Amino acid sequence: QKEVEQDPGPLSVPEGAIVSLNCTYSNSAFQYFMWYRQYSRKGPELLMYTYSSGNKEDGRFTAQVDKSSKYISLFIRDSQPSDSATYLCAMWTQGGSEKLVFGKGTKLTVNP
Amino acid sequence: NAGVMQNPRHLVRRRGQEARLRCSPMKGHSHVYWYRQLPEEGLKFMVYLQKENIIDESGMPKERFSAEFPKEGPSILRIQQVVRGDSAAYFCASSPPVIGQTQYFGPGTRLLVL
Repeated sequence: QKEVEQDPGPLSVPEGAIVSLNCTYSNSAFQYFMWYRQYSRKGPELLMYTYSSGNKEDGRFTAQVDKSSKYISLFIRDSQPSDSATYLCAMWTQGGSEKLVFGKGTKLTVNP
Repeated sequence: NAGVMQNPRHLVRRRGQEARLRCSPMKGHSHVYWYRQLPEEGLKFMVYLQKENIIDESGMPKERFSAEFPKEGPSILRIQQVVRGDSAAYFCASSPPVIGQTQYFGPGTRLLVL
């Protein structure tokens, strides 16, 4: 079983839709959770960074962490064509080497 | 404040040649990480360095690959005797020397081995 599982999609939605992206993980030692956005042929850009279980909101983006279920989500409200990108979940454990473990990424297309 | 800088952005090498990839971390960041992204794959950790020290190289292939982060200058990822399977995007990330800080990525170097 992979440490981090993420549905690669692709996911195609109309403009204005609510998008839900998800990752599951197997290592209960993960404590920090991140979502990165990666445009084609660009570097990953940090979107959200959470530590505890619960929700964290930033504009149109909400990150949700459920440590008991080992499940994290990213919600995008009022999606825009500019949100079209690959979304990567990542996580790491304090006290280890601080290396990030990534999901494979979900490719999202928002159609105008 | 400039972000993480990587050069070259694109690198073409023939099999058997050496590839040198450079990374300058963000100002104030002393931790550097290298990741590799193969086509249709996620980012995979390679190595974690601090100034003059390799902290974790558990993701580095045992042969041909090496990394350094000298006291002065950028971090270097070196691939000797490249093979076609080394073709990938190599990303560098940096973070400040504070526990719990996340990593900020550079634009990557795309290596193509002919």
